[in-house]
Amino acid sequence: EDQVTQSPEALRLQEGESSSLNCSYTVSGLRGLFWYRQDPGKGPEFLFTLYSAGEEKEKERLKATLTKKESFLHITAPKPEDSATYLCAVLNTGGFKTIFGAGTRLFVKA
Amino acid sequence: EPEVTQTPSHQVTQMGQEVILRCVPISNHLYFYWYRQILGQKVEFLVSFYNNEISEKSEIFDDQFSVERPDGSNFTLKIRSTKLEDSAMYFCARTRTGGNTEAFFGQGTRLTVV
Repeated sequence: EDQVTQSPEALRLQEGESSSLNCSYTVSGLRGLFWYRQDPGKGPEFLFTLYSAGEEKEKERLKATLTKKESFLHITAPKPEDSATYLCAVLNTGGFKTIFGAGTRLFVKA
Repeated sequence: EPEVTQTPSHQVTQMGQEVILRCVPISNHLYFYWYRQILGQKVEFLVSFYNNEISEKSEIFDDQFSVERPDGSNFTLKIRSTKLEDSAMYFCARTRTGGNTEAFFGQGTRLTVV
């Protein structure tokens, strides 16, 4: 059964304090791994798609990486506006059902 | 400008009543999805819809649920007889292709069953 586990559940950082969020996954065949940002009461907002091990993508202060078993979302010099829940999700090669992890709640203090 | 517009933003209904949640994609895409998120829990896939047919559904999507695109524009999720445990945020989403590209989510409908 496909599974996504994210850690830590919550992360508190000072502004400028870089860190990483982890997403471990089990999937029969990876079609894509996705990172989303979710603000309270809102729908997920797309950040990145990764397709194969070794792939990396960057956007502003965020960088996503992928191995065969896990993905990391690196946050460099975060700002308070980066505070949100970050969701990891996987899609297997068999269909359309995207499996989400429980998310990491990030708090960045000024 | 949102990629997907959902209405209503909040709906309160009595247990056993039927509800219809609506989604209007801004652009003319073919792949649509419904997800739900119970407060404090994971986002859960309900159903995918392509070319006016269900392409995949989860075990949550039982006979109480149905989807359709009645006028070629609006995409609806119907819950026939709501239960307390149906209380959740329901998100509509679309993708450009069949699931392996980014999904654009609506702002959600908060359904409260009392």
